[in-house]
Amino acid sequence: NAGVTQTPKFQVLKTGQSMTLQCAQDMNHEYMSWYRQDPGMGLRLIHYSVGAGITDQGEVPNGYNVSRSTTEDFPLRLLSAAPSQTSVYFCASRPRLSGGRYEQYFGPGTRLTVT
Amino acid sequence: GENVEQHPSTLSVQEGDSAVIKCTYSDSASNYFPWYKQELGKRPQLIIDIRSNVGEKKDQRIAVTLNKTAKHFSLHITETQPEDSAVYFCAATRGSNYQLIWGAGTKLIIKP
Repeated sequence: NAGVTQTPKFQVLKTGQSMTLQCAQDMNHEYMSWYRQDPGMGLRLIHYSVGAGITDQGEVPNGYNVSRSTTEDFPLRLLSAAPSQTSVYFCASRPRLSGGRYEQYFGPGTRLTVT
Repeated sequence: GENVEQHPSTLSVQEGDSAVIKCTYSDSASNYFPWYKQELGKRPQLIIDIRSNVGEKKDQRIAVTLNKTAKHFSLHITETQPEDSAVYFCAATRGSNYQLIWGAGTKLIIKP
């Protein structure tokens, strides 16, 4: 049971390039989320999904796209990278029904630098 | 919009002393309040949580208290140890899908 996995661990992009951050989980969790973490700002929700085929925007969705074709995978696409997108990106998942507890399980993160 | 404020941003305590971190939230519909610990370069991990129908919860050296009327909750760590050094985040649920809104984090430093 690998939990939540993310690839790559590190990435450097030039302004204007596009790329996809990969996230997968093997816990059959319905809910998956993408966060970015910047110093002094905590975790900010980019996009989330409540199940395959269903996605919605979080607090900071601009410049990012997501899709959820399977329960396991939730890739995050940067359309045209900007220096403001330099951050650490975390993917997280949790089960839909959790007895009133909504613990999220995080992946190891991807550190992205845009030059 | 809904937000979670967390204080202090940095907390330095002597090993063996207690540490208290406080959070306030704005959405009266929030019903779940977790605390996560993040060590340097690692992912956040849940250390304790509390639901809105409970006022206090304890797990060994850590405890969380919730005051729904005042909309604030706190993390208490007693008998602090060097391995408690980390960044701690509070969060509160928002919306019908129970997404989490996060505080900005508290860097806890344990002085030997």
